[in-house]
Amino acid sequence: QKEVEQDPGPLSVPEGAIVSLNCTYSNSAFQYFMWYRQYSRKGPELLMYTYSSGNKEDGRFTAQVDKSSKYISLFIRDSQPSDSATYLCAMTPYSGGYQKVTFGTGTKLQVIP
Amino acid sequence: DAMVIQNPRYQVTQFGKPVTLSCSQTLNHNVMYWYQQKSSQAPKLLFHYYDKDFNNEADTPDNFQSRRPNTSFCFLDIRSPGLGDAAMYLCATEPGPGLKGPDTQYFGPGTRLTVL
Repeated sequence: QKEVEQDPGPLSVPEGAIVSLNCTYSNSAFQYFMWYRQYSRKGPELLMYTYSSGNKEDGRFTAQVDKSSKYISLFIRDSQPSDSATYLCAMTPYSGGYQKVTFGTGTKLQVIP
Repeated sequence: DAMVIQNPRYQVTQFGKPVTLSCSQTLNHNVMYWYQQKSSQAPKLLFHYYDKDFNNEADTPDNFQSRRPNTSFCFLDIRSPGLGDAAMYLCATEPGPGLKGPDTQYFGPGTRLTVL
């Protein structure tokens, strides 16, 4: 079993839709949870960063963490064609020192105008 | 302005011919990482530097080496590339471990390596 599972998609939605992207994980040591956006032929770019359980909102994006279920989500409201990209969840236990980040495989999202 | 620069963006090499990928940063970050990302797969950490201290992941093949001559530059050397080494290679930097938790990693655009 992989430490982090993420549905690869592709996920295709009409412009303006609410998008829900999800990851499950098995390592209960993970404490910090991140979502990266990766456009085609580009490096990942950090979107959201949360610690422990709860919600965090940033504009049209909401990150949700449920540690009891080992489940994290990213919601995109009023999706735009510019949101079309691959979204990678990532997480780390971080006990000091460098970050050993474990990534999901990414979900490819296409927002159709 | 580009903060993490990777050169070249595309690299074609022959089976067994050594190749070097380069990463430079203008952020003056202490930590630099090298990841390998194959198509539709998660980025896989190969190794990282904290300042001059080199840390190899346990499952990184010996075929992969790295050098960091100064804070700004880091190189990935593949001594004898095989077909299975064809991938996107991502460099990332980070200021350094924070007291309150990990910091943001900044990724470069990647170098796509093709092995013929």
